[in-house]
Amino acid sequence: EAGVAQSPRYKIIEKRQSVAFWCNPISGHATLYWYQQILGQGPKLLIQFQNNGVVDDSQLPKDRFSAERLKGVDSTLKIQPAKLEDSAVYLCASSLDPSANYGYTFGSGTRLTVV
Amino acid sequence: AQRVTQPEKLLSVFKGAPVELKCNYSYSGSPELFWYVQYSRQRLQLLLRHISRESIKGFTADLNKGETSFHLKKPFAQEEDSAMYYCALKGRDKLSFGAGTTVTVRA
Repeated sequence: EAGVAQSPRYKIIEKRQSVAFWCNPISGHATLYWYQQILGQGPKLLIQFQNNGVVDDSQLPKDRFSAERLKGVDSTLKIQPAKLEDSAVYLCASSLDPSANYGYTFGSGTRLTVV
Repeated sequence: AQRVTQPEKLLSVFKGAPVELKCNYSYSGSPELFWYVQYSRQRLQLLLRHISRESIKGFTADLNKGETSFHLKKPFAQEEDSAMYYCALKGRDKLSFGAGTTVTVRA
């Protein structure tokens, strides 16, 4: 099966600019996650979707971050405006059924550098 | 609240030596524990799940609820085991990760 696709792989922007990341999960996976991984730290959950509804966005900085999953398939994560501390790898993952004991499948991530 | 702690940021062992990566967790419910691995220039991938009680690539991990630990072990490390390892806990459908341990296996 095809894996979780993410684009772009790399992005460099100046602070206060906007940026958007795209994710295409594994076909049939209803649950989609966005994680932020800052250098030297483990991935931190930003937002979780079940189909096109938000299940958990408690750690999403909503003043600058937004995410959507229209039609319950692809998802985009946006940062506007970006800050230096947003430099990180943004990982997308999907899961068949979060209530079952399945692992998540991760994409390759988008490495964001804010200068 | 759920938390995962990996006390070692770096671990260096010689090829053929045993390796153990420590993971401790805190969670009020019944936890589901995982180990994920990330090899150089590859994506994060699932290594093993506690519920499967399986051995993957020679690695095993036992859930110890009394000590709230889920340490990862391998009796004889190989050079291809050099990678970043993350312990993860799934609680209430949310997967939380530890900070990770970088393992270097030297020839």
